[in-house]
Amino acid sequence: DQQVKQNSPSLSVQEGRISILNCDYTNSMFDYFLWYKKYPAEGPTFLISISSIKDKNEDGRFTVFLNKSAKHLSLHIVPSQPGDSAVYFCAASAFPGTYKYIFGTGTRLKVLA
Amino acid sequence: DSGVTQTPKHLITATGQRVTLRCSPRSGDLSVYWYQQSLDQGLQFLIQYYNGEERAKGNILERFSAQQFPDLHSELNLSSLELGDSALYFCASSGPATQETQYFGPGTRLLVL
Repeated sequence: DQQVKQNSPSLSVQEGRISILNCDYTNSMFDYFLWYKKYPAEGPTFLISISSIKDKNEDGRFTVFLNKSAKHLSLHIVPSQPGDSAVYFCAASAFPGTYKYIFGTGTRLKVLA
Repeated sequence: DSGVTQTPKHLITATGQRVTLRCSPRSGDLSVYWYQQSLDQGLQFLIQYYNGEERAKGNILERFSAQQFPDLHSELNLSSLELGDSALYFCASSGPATQETQYFGPGTRLLVL
């Protein structure tokens, strides 16, 4: 049973436009969420996080929105740049003190120049 | 560069064999996490160590074991290898002040023939 789902395996966006990556979860006990970016042949790189007590967190071009009632979070990248082309994973944790994260299967973003 | 190192980068071995993957966390980080990423899958949490003690366990097979040494480096031992164990194995670490954010190493690609 996939508790964290990224239903879009891939997404293409024009440079300068907004990229929206989506993530759905099923476990209402999840209380902390992160987004990671992964380039080929590298480990995932932390991008941005959000706690369940918030509904939005911004860091530069990256904003994460959390809708707890819908069990949905999204990552907005504005404006998108060719260097943003990578696989994006969302992850969730319901295990305070251990941070045992459940990862989605990833969305491959391609930003077209 | 996340500061987390993993060796070796690539490993090719045969079924039934045993291998050891090594991880050095970022300086000052006490927690080490191991993840497995099979083809087209998300990262699957295997196990977490905190300052030498096992803290959390995920879907880790009995054929797999791990430990964290006094110098905080960690090793993941995989034995009686099967074809299905071929995957990317990532190590991540987190610090005492920012435990919720995990920093990943570049991974070890294991191929079992």
